[in-house]
Amino acid sequence: DTAVSQTPKYLVTQMGNDKSIKCEQNLGHDTMYWYKQDSKKFLKIMFSYNNKELIINETVPNRFSPKSPDKAHLNLHINSLELGDSAVYFCALFWTGLSSNSYEQYFGPGTRLTVT
Amino acid sequence: SQKIEQNSEALNIQEGKTATLTCNYTNYSPAYLQWYRQDPGRGPVFLLLIRENEKEKRKERLKVTFDTTLKQSLFHITASQPADSATYLCALLNNAGNMLTFGGGTRLMVKP
Repeated sequence: DTAVSQTPKYLVTQMGNDKSIKCEQNLGHDTMYWYKQDSKKFLKIMFSYNNKELIINETVPNRFSPKSPDKAHLNLHINSLELGDSAVYFCALFWTGLSSNSYEQYFGPGTRLTVT
Repeated sequence: SQKIEQNSEALNIQEGKTATLTCNYTNYSPAYLQWYRQDPGRGPVFLLLIRENEKEKRKERLKVTFDTTLKQSLFHITASQPADSATYLCALLNNAGNMLTFGGGTRLMVKP
């Protein structure tokens, strides 16, 4: 079983469209994250969401909004897509693993978004 | 501002040699430093965590050092194999323990 899954794997769309990326986790953790990895491979946190509360919002344009319908899901909605939004988006969560202090970030497989 | 720097140039080494990757940071006082591996088309995978009061951590062929005075971590892979070829990312955990900041990663190529 995959702990963190994302759909779709690839998303190609035109400028101005609105799209969503879905993320689901089956580890029962409260806190989920969205990251963006650009063409230069820089991985940057966008949001952290804990139990329906936005914890971290790292200067992300308000065209991006996380939506958590329940504890297992944190979807990313993007309105009015722009060329610069093209990137790989990763959903993630903190996994304590075998130790309560391990702070491992467990990533989903990523969604490659291409805006044309 | 806070900065994490990794060598952006790819590191090419011969199979069997030790690979050493560097992570430098400024304007941080992290309690934890982590290393991740990322293969093309996949999400990063956690490898090791080292705490500020630990000088060195080992896991199989991996070794991480953490020098809080130099603000530097070194990541070593001994007896490297072509399967070790990937991008390696270092990350610092904030004091609240809820946010990681990643370096730009270093691509390692191990040639047979």
